[in-house]
Amino acid sequence: SQTIHQWPATLVQPVGSPLSLECTVEGTSNPNLYWYRQAAGRGLQLLFYSVGIGQISSEVPQNLSASRPQDRQFILSSKKLLLSDSGFYLCAWIGRREAFFGQGTRLTVV
Amino acid sequence: TQLLEQSPQFLSIQEGENLTVYCNSSSVFSSLQWYRQEPGEGPVLLVTVVTGGEVKKLKRLTFQFGDARKDSSLHITAAQPGDTGLYLCAGDSPTQGGSEKLVFGKGTKLTVNP
Repeated sequence: SQTIHQWPATLVQPVGSPLSLECTVEGTSNPNLYWYRQAAGRGLQLLFYSVGIGQISSEVPQNLSASRPQDRQFILSSKKLLLSDSGFYLCAWIGRREAFFGQGTRLTVV
Repeated sequence: TQLLEQSPQFLSIQEGENLTVYCNSSSVFSSLQWYRQEPGEGPVLLVTVVTGGEVKKLKRLTFQFGDARKDSSLHITAAQPGDTGLYLCAGDSPTQGGSEKLVFGKGTKLTVNP
């Protein structure tokens, strides 16, 4: 079965510092991978998705970027964090009509 | 952009009561999914509905997909405190590259008081 590992679970970073969140998937090959952000326990906003190595699609212009260096690895990055980047970040593998999520990263920018 | 509207946004009820939450859109989806999320964790899939008019039951939860495949509802019978959580609906949305992505509603935050 598919397993998604996401880390770290929590992160407190100062404004202007860089960010790197990592997500890895087990139990499937060539997965479609997604980064979502969730504010205050509400709906999920799609940030990036990737259908393969080096292929990144951005949904919302922002201070973040994503990379897919390996088939089962998806990375969310920022060169300089803003206060507005705070939130709950979720990595997901989306198969046919179902999504599997990682445990999420709670990012607080101070 | 396809949007999913969920209502109500917040719902607080007593144990044993029944409730229904709704997920509506002006767009047609090939399928709709319902997820439940607890604080600090990722959403977990409850059910996927595919056929217009389809009804699926999961113990005390009943899910229905509208005939036109634009809306869905979740009905919980005799709610229990363990049902507390954020309920999210999501619909398939095709991308330009041919893959699919999920569009999520903003969720219904349910609190069941003992």
